[in-house]
Amino acid sequence: QVQLVESGGGLVKPGGSLRLSCAASGFTFSDYYMSWIRQAPGKGLEWVSYISSSGSTIYYADSVKGRFTISRDNAKNSLYLQMNSLRAEDTAVYYCARVKVVAATPYYYYYYMDVWGKGTTVTVSS
Amino acid sequence: DIQMTQSPSSLSASVGDRVTITCRASQSISSYLNWYQQKPGKAPKLLIYAASSLQSGVPSRFSGSGSGTDFTLTISSLQPEDFATYYCQQSYSTPWTFGPGTKVDIK
Repeated sequence: QVQLVESGGGLVKPGGSLRLSCAASGFTFSDYYMSWIRQAPGKGLEWVSYISSSGSTIYYADSVKGRFTISRDNAKNSLYLQMNSLRAEDTAVYYCARVKVVAATPYYYYYYMDVWGKGTTVTVSS
Repeated sequence: DIQMTQSPSSLSASVGDRVTITCRASQSISSYLNWYQQKPGKAPKLLIYAASSLQSGVPSRFSGSGSGTDFTLTISSLQPEDFATYYCQQSYSTPWTFGPGTKVDIK
């Protein structure tokens, strides 16, 4: 079945680094855009980044731009998030999600996150 | 950035009630609006995409409407498994943004 499994979370000190992974199975990974979304304890959802199917198009939230790097390895069916210069406010559950892209008009596309992993917890604390 | 607001922030309802949640965008987003359901300790689940399209496998008691800046998620007859938090999300432009959520609990 279609599945996403995140790993790599843990406790890290402020200023430290962490690399999250997301293993995909049950679908053709290379056909899909992918995204990271996070949720701080007791808070709402915050989109972090997305990457196109080939990896050629990438966007980030302003809150992580310059510190986080999204990447993918289509041969390994895996998505990654390299997180550097971590801050206390980066503490959250990090979800990876599959992004479905459907043409709405010749120039605009619907994007929606139709499959989510269970998440991995990142805690930034001294 | 496009700001998303939701109302109410929480509501109490009974099984069988009709429930309506509103989402508003700070600028027009056409129909580039998605709805998700999240239960405590679980990942979000897609309910509605493109403002009014029901995701496969989602019960037909869920429906979405709206375009431009104002959107609505309706649950026609609330079921016990529907008690959760609901989020809207715009994909009109990056950064994609979520509403703050609406928590639906048992009256």
